[in-house]
This record gives sequence, structure tokens and C-alpha cells, in this order.
Amino acid sequence: DQQVKQNSPSLSVQEGRISILNCDYTNSMFDYFLWYKKYPAEGPTFLISISSIKDKNEDGRFTVFLNKSAKHLSLHIVPSQPGDSAVYFCAATNSGGSNYKLTFGKGTLLTVNP
Amino acid sequence: DGGITQSPKYLFRKEGQNVTLSCEQNLNHDAMYWYRQDPGQGLRLIYYSQIVNDFQKGDIAEGYSVSREKKESFPLTVTSAQKNPTAFYLCASSIATGTGVYTFGSGTRLTVV
Repeated sequence: DQQVKQNSPSLSVQEGRISILNCDYTNSMFDYFLWYKKYPAEGPTFLISISSIKDKNEDGRFTVFLNKSAKHLSLHIVPSQPGDSAVYFCAATNSGGSNYKLTFGKGTLLTVNP
Repeated sequence: DGGITQSPKYLFRKEGQNVTLSCEQNLNHDAMYWYRQDPGQGLRLIYYSQIVNDFQKGDIAEGYSVSREKKESFPLTVTSAQKNPTAFYLCASSIATGTGVYTFGSGTRLTVV
């Protein structure tokens, strides 16, 4: 039972264009969402997060959009750069729960071509 | 600089042997976690601990054991009961709140031959 789904295993975009990575969730208790970026043989690093009380959060080139009714979020990277090439994981949690577990999606490999 | 350290980066073991992966953090985080990454599987939770001397099973705890005797340390033992131990193992820590961002270590690649 996959509660966080990233249905696109990979995405390829040209440098300077927009990258859009998608994530869907099924657990209605999730109210806090995060995106992590991971390079090969390294640990993931935190990128950006959003609370369910918002529908958008922006940090430089990165913007996360949340559609609660559709249980869908997306990460937009504008403009995309070759250094953005990595695996991106979507994660979700119930911030009011009794533990602090994050549930991760399977990840999307983004390749930005020069 | 505060951070989380996993050692060793690469580990080779013979089938049937137990092996312990180290995870140390100096971030003063209460919560610590172990994840496993396999190709196409994303990150799957093995064990987590929210406080010293307490830990809980995650989604794939079978064949693994942990201890949390100190706040800074959360070692993971991969036992001979784990059927497919070859994987990339990630340790993480966070403050003890529902919106605590995880800090990850750089991982240990375990190969069982």
C-alpha cells in the first residue's frame, strides 16, 4: 500500500526550461510535505516543504504547489540547471501524530540537459 | 559543524554473518531513523527511535535490530535472517516535532557476497 506515489520514474528537460515533478498521496492524515534531492551514493538533502494550510511555497528557483482536494503536490524548478540533475523524493507526514515518521515516494530521476 | 556520520561508506560481508552499521549525530536531535534504498523502491523505513532507550519497528524491520543507548548513536545490525541485505542504508535524525526536517547521513553501501 503505497501512500506516497511518484508515478514518473524519470524526467528529462533542457537547461533553462521548467521542470515539473509530481507527487500524489492517499493518506488524508498527511498535512506536511517535503521534497528532498539526492545525488548518487549520497544522503538526501532537504529542498523545500509545505504545510497543508498553504497551497504554495517558494524558495528561489523552487516552488511547491499543493492541491489538497486532489491529494496532489508538484515541485517546479525554474530555470532548470544541469546541477539540478538528481533523484527527487517527495515525502509526507502527519505533523500532529505520535511519531515523526516521513513516508517517501519512490523518487523521480531528473536529468537536465545542457 | 553539526552533522550525521555513517561509517563505513562501503561494507562487504559474507552471507550468514551479522554486520553492524554505525550512525552518529552531533545535532542534539532526539529522533533517529534507518532507511534502506533499493533501485526503484525509494526509501523504506527499517527502524526509528524518538528517545533514548526506545525504538519502534518501521515497515521492513524483519532481519534487522537496533539499539539507542545514547542520544547521539543509533547503530543498525543486519542479521543473517535478513534475506536480501545488499542495499544502500541511510541514517537520519530530526528534532522531535511533527515538522522536523530530517538530516541524512551519506549512507553505507552494504554488499553481501
